Amino acid sequence: AQRVTQPEKLLSVFKGAPVELKCNYSYSGSPELFWYVQYSRQRLQLLLRHISRESIKGFTADLNKGETSFHLKKPFAQEEDSAMYYCALSGRDFGNEKLTFGTGTRLTIIP
Amino acid sequence: EAGVTQFPSHSVIEKGQTVTLRCDPISGHDNLYWYRRVMGKEIKFLLHFVKESKQDESGMPNNRFLAERTGGTYSTLKVQPAELEDSGVYFCASSQGTRLNTEAFFGQGTRLTVV
Repeated sequence: AQRVTQPEKLLSVFKGAPVELKCNYSYSGSPELFWYVQYSRQRLQLLLRHISRESIKGFTADLNKGETSFHLKKPFAQEEDSAMYYCALSGRDFGNEKLTFGTGTRLTIIP
Repeated sequence: EAGVTQFPSHSVIEKGQTVTLRCDPISGHDNLYWYRRVMGKEIKFLLHFVKESKQDESGMPNNRFLAERTGGTYSTLKVQPAELEDSGVYFCASSQGTRLNTEAFFGQGTRLTVV
């Protein structure tokens, strides 16, 4: 079974401080991991995915298969980073492209 | 380019009534997904269309929910009769059909309240 765990429902960080949003997963096959973000009054949108190995808006996430983790990190938080963040997983095998989401972490950046 | 659009944005109905939610995916996207977020819980998968065919409907909660995708274009999700526990935000997402580009684009959601 696919499962994504985000242990923190709420996270508050001062502007300029480092941010780490935790995500752990369980999946029997080879997963594809994503981070989605929902800013206030906007739709859910893709922030980044492990397969592209990009840094988006200063955020990075590394897939650690040994620890089954995909934590989201940013060295210096900005006020505009305040949002709801969802870690998600999908299978790479055909017919299993559905996303399994974690419960989300609401990140608040304190000015 | 227009994104995924959902109608209505909000719906308040009484228990026992019927509600139909609509999703217009991005043009050319073969994959269409329905998800639901019930208050305080995670966003959960409901079903997946590839064009007009149901690829996976393992997340549909019960037979009060009926999804269709006529001609492989827009999709509707009907709840009949609605129950209190159906309240939540219903999201639609679409993606292209190739494995090289599986980013799912989400609609703004429909907030359904059953009273």
